Amino acid sequence: GAGVSQSPSNKVTEKGKDVELRCDPISGHTALYWYRQSLGQGLEFLIYFQGNSAPDKSGLPSDRFSAERTGGSVSTLTIQRTQQEDSAVYLCASSSQVSGVGQPQHFGDGTRLSIL
Amino acid sequence: GESVGLHLPTLSVQEGDNSIINCAYSNSASDYFIWYKQESGKGPQFIIDIRSNMDKRQGQRVTVLLNKTVKHLSLQIAATQPGDSAVYFCAEKDDKIIFGKGTRLHILP
Repeated sequence: GAGVSQSPSNKVTEKGKDVELRCDPISGHTALYWYRQSLGQGLEFLIYFQGNSAPDKSGLPSDRFSAERTGGSVSTLTIQRTQQEDSAVYLCASSSQVSGVGQPQHFGDGTRLSIL
Repeated sequence: GESVGLHLPTLSVQEGDNSIINCAYSNSASDYFIWYKQESGKGPQFIIDIRSNMDKRQGQRVTVLLNKTVKHLSLQIAATQPGDSAVYFCAEKDDKIIFGKGTRLHILP
């Protein structure tokens, strides 16, 4: 499709398991962002990519969180040894460039992660 | 650090009336502002944006106003419809984009 695609849409897993979330950005978009949104809350920035590199990882909450992007396209967010506080909706967004004014981010519908 | 906030967490508006959603920002260096709409179970959807060299920008049924003197941003929705029910987020950009916490717009029949 033409928009940002995220998979899975829902993920339920047991505490302590690892999870991998996937994001397919809009074709040609060089910038890719990951956010976390808890119920009824705003967006918490996690990390962004420009191409395959991640200039800003400042939002990753702990070393259990990591992300990579390959081929300047698909990105995966990995959470190791999941904890209950990791339960949230994980949103991915992409934009055609990272620093230009007038380049809004386009979001996917997110992955709803529930840790039992 | 700098932050974006909203005056009202919930706004109830009669169907057909105009809605005004407000947002305060504190970073005077921000040069770009965006409004997003988020429906339940969906990701934020881009509505309209404005650059800091503008005071007003209009889209289809929506208008964004920027007052840099008081660091205030507003989103006006004309003739509010049931489909406008959602959470609306403002965002500002300096070196990175910062999102506000959102305002829920509730449409009264």
